[in-house]
Amino acid sequence: KQEVTQIPAALSVPEGENLVLNCSFTDSAIYNLQWFRQDPGKGLTSLLLIQSSQREQTSGRLNASLDKSSGRSTLYIAASQPGDSATYLCALISGGYNKLIFGAGTRLAVHP
Amino acid sequence: DTAVSQTPKYLVTQMGNDKSIKCEQNLGHDTMYWYKQDSKKFLKIMFSYNNKELIINETVPNRFSPKSPDKAHLNLHINSLELGDSAVYFCASSPAKNTEAFFGQGTRLTVV
Repeated sequence: KQEVTQIPAALSVPEGENLVLNCSFTDSAIYNLQWFRQDPGKGLTSLLLIQSSQREQTSGRLNASLDKSSGRSTLYIAASQPGDSATYLCALISGGYNKLIFGAGTRLAVHP
Repeated sequence: DTAVSQTPKYLVTQMGNDKSIKCEQNLGHDTMYWYKQDSKKFLKIMFSYNNKELIINETVPNRFSPKSPDKAHLNLHINSLELGDSAVYFCASSPAKNTEAFFGQGTRLTVV
């Protein structure tokens, strides 16, 4: 059974820091992995999608990597800003089951 | 705007009532989903539809009945609401099975 774990559960950093959010999964047979952002009381915003054949994806200050063999993905945020404060969710599709399996999220606070 | 839209955004109702949540996507996607986010903020799949056909029913009580009148709509009807049904319900869509998912803003259901 696929399980997704996100570490750390919460993170507080000063503005300007580069940071890494971690996502690990137990079954390497995945279709794709998606990183989302959720602001309090809001929906999920898709940040990056990594297909199973890809190793990384980049969008602006965000870079996500995927290592299926070790069951890990990381989301790198460069030069963090207070506006980056949100919960970041890792989710993946495995086994072709057409459903996203979510981690519990990392709650990020970037303070000025 | 192109989006996944849900109505209502908030729903407060008494135990035992029947209620519906509507979802529409104008992205031209074939696949739609309902996810539930519980009080601990954990997201879990409920239903998945592809071209109006149910492909995933993730052990959801029979009181929950999805209905897809066409590819652009997936509504969720809940009978005999219980306190434990209180949660945020998210609708999502994907271009096809096992592809990138886009989420609506969520419906916060409170059963009193």
